[in-house]
Amino acid sequence: QVQLVESGGGVVQPGRSLRLSCAASGFTFKRHGMHWVRQTPGKGLEWVAVMSHDGSKKYYLDSVEGRFTISRDNSKNTLYLQMNSLRAEDTAVYYCVRDSGDIVLTPAAAYGMDVWGQGTTVTVSS
Amino acid sequence: DIRLTQSPSSLSASVGDRVTITCRASQSISSYLNWYQQRPGKAPKLLINTASNLQSGVPSRFIGRGSGTDFTLTISGLQPEDFATYYCQQSFDTPRLTFGGGTKVEIK
Repeated sequence: QVQLVESGGGVVQPGRSLRLSCAASGFTFKRHGMHWVRQTPGKGLEWVAVMSHDGSKKYYLDSVEGRFTISRDNSKNTLYLQMNSLRAEDTAVYYCVRDSGDIVLTPAAAYGMDVWGQGTTVTVSS
Repeated sequence: DIRLTQSPSSLSASVGDRVTITCRASQSISSYLNWYQQRPGKAPKLLINTASNLQSGVPSRFIGRGSGTDFTLTISGLQPEDFATYYCQQSFDTPRLTFGGGTKVEIK
């Protein structure tokens, strides 16, 4: 079945780094744009980053630009999020999410984000 | 950034009731509005895309309407599995996607 499985979350001190991974299965990964979306009790759902199906386009939330890097390996059906210089406000559940389109021919989430992983928790605390 | 304001933030209803959730955008977003359902402890699930198009497998009791700045999600005949939190999300100002604050539908 169509599935996204995140890993790599944990507890990390402010200023340190963490890399999240998302393993995709059950669909043709290289045909879809992929997002990271995070959720906190206080701020709700917040889009973080997106990468096009072929890796040619990537975009970030302003507050993470320059600190986070989204990437993908289509040969391994895996999406990544490298998070550097982490801050307390980055504490959240991070979801890997499939876009219904490719982000090149169709705008991001034009027809919604249609497959979500179960989420991985990142806690930034000293 | 485009702000989405959902109302109410929570509501109580009984099985079989009809409920309507509103999502208002800070500027016109045409029909680029998607709705998600999140059950407790689970990831969000896409229900409706582009304001009114039901995702495959989603029951027809979920109805999305609207365009411009005002949108609604109506659940006709609330079922036990519908008690959840609902979010709207705009894809007009792509890729700067934003979500509404959520509406929690609770059992009366």
